[in-house]
Amino acid sequence: DTGVSQDPRHKITKRGQNVTFRCDPISEHNRLYWYRQTLGQGPEFLTYFQNEAQLEKSRLLSDRFSAERPKGSFSTLEIQRTEQGDSAMYLCASSLMETQYFGPGTRLLVL
Amino acid sequence: KQEVTQIPAALSVPEGENLVLNCSFTDSAIYNLQWFRQDPGKGLTSLLLIQSSQREQTSGRLNASLDKSSGRSTLYIAASQPGDSATYLCAVMYAGGTSYGKLTFGQGTILTVHP
Repeated sequence: DTGVSQDPRHKITKRGQNVTFRCDPISEHNRLYWYRQTLGQGPEFLTYFQNEAQLEKSRLLSDRFSAERPKGSFSTLEIQRTEQGDSAMYLCASSLMETQYFGPGTRLLVL
Repeated sequence: KQEVTQIPAALSVPEGENLVLNCSFTDSAIYNLQWFRQDPGKGLTSLLLIQSSQREQTSGRLNASLDKSSGRSTLYIAASQPGDSATYLCAVMYAGGTSYGKLTFGQGTILTVHP
């Protein structure tokens, strides 16, 4: 257990529904990252925050995706109008320096 | 394009063998390189982080090397054990622009150590 928690751990939804995931980083960490991992692949960067500021967004993050980190603490990742291609593991990580500590992930299945 | 490649994709060895996992990256301008372990259905655990100015890092039975000029890193696991079975991921933090903090991952090497 790295100290980064994610909720829910699993989510099954129907195509077209909206879903929201939460990440709670290690408390003193000012950087928070979201990655997506599909089966058999390494994680792909989605976005990252330093405190409450979203500093970079991947081109993978379409208009249907939005991430927030109010008050620089926990973060949420929302996917609107889910598609089957959104099925993946969504990983959150936090860091104070270079080493990133990953949470257990939220596995999303879109039917 | 900044990419990371890992070979082999899968490796199966008997317990006790020493083994090497390989990682290559396309741009030598990096901040650091990290090796992670991922157990099935779980998150990632950081094993070793090598800064761009370093040549190697060691932790227990693990040793990671970095050669920026050739764009390569290796993870050496000594005296492998069945508990080492997992997917090993190499990740690079490329330098420049706004990319600080962003990790670019390889596709991983699935390691199986059989008794």
